[in-house]
Amino acid sequence: GPKVLQIPSHQIIDMGQMVTLNCDPVSNHLYFYWYKQILGQQMEFLVNFYNGKVMEKSKLFKDQFSVERPDGSYFTLKIQPTALEDSAVYFCASSLLGAEQFFGPGTRLTVL
Amino acid sequence: GDSVTQTEGLVTLTEGLPVMLNCTYQSTYSPFLFWYVQHLNEAPKLLLKSFTDNKRPEHQGFHATLHKSSSSFHLQKSSAQLSDSALYYCALSDIGSNNRIFFGDGTQLVVKP
Repeated sequence: GPKVLQIPSHQIIDMGQMVTLNCDPVSNHLYFYWYKQILGQQMEFLVNFYNGKVMEKSKLFKDQFSVERPDGSYFTLKIQPTALEDSAVYFCASSLLGAEQFFGPGTRLTVL
Repeated sequence: GDSVTQTEGLVTLTEGLPVMLNCTYQSTYSPFLFWYVQHLNEAPKLLLKSFTDNKRPEHQGFHATLHKSSSSFHLQKSSAQLSDSALYYCALSDIGSNNRIFFGDGTQLVVKP
């Protein structure tokens, strides 16, 4: 079936540094999403993105977070600067029509 | 507004017994409902989705029926298997929801021998 890829699978950085998480969505999909899952907890919505714009963001999407998809390449989540509480697995998802979503395998971010 | 409620955080049962995970929802229009399953250290995957013609979706022995009168989309399986142990999310997509899926908090299903 359709596959979403995420790069890297693991990332370890020091608090205060910048990190960019990359998502390669399904090729013809139009809607893109980021979710955050702290170890042992439920997955939580961060942001959705369509036609070059943020459609909606949650309270978890702090000012230090930003998303973009320049020229139809990777859909990225940038955190600058990072904080300890940003340690989590970040899942990217994409959707063709904004209904059924396909998830990537996740990026495990560890902030030291 | 749109929301999904899963009342059980954890369901533990013995292999071979029936499974039922509860899901109720609130929506403004006429939503699509989904069940996603997340196994340990894996990404969520779509398990089931509701049909517009009210057919009952089935996959891997699981089924769910959309009841608009009670706003429910409970997940059921006649006989649990050890491999069913996972985190199950009920989710909703609605017109005018900014093309966002609203996920419930998830129900952790643990199947014991």
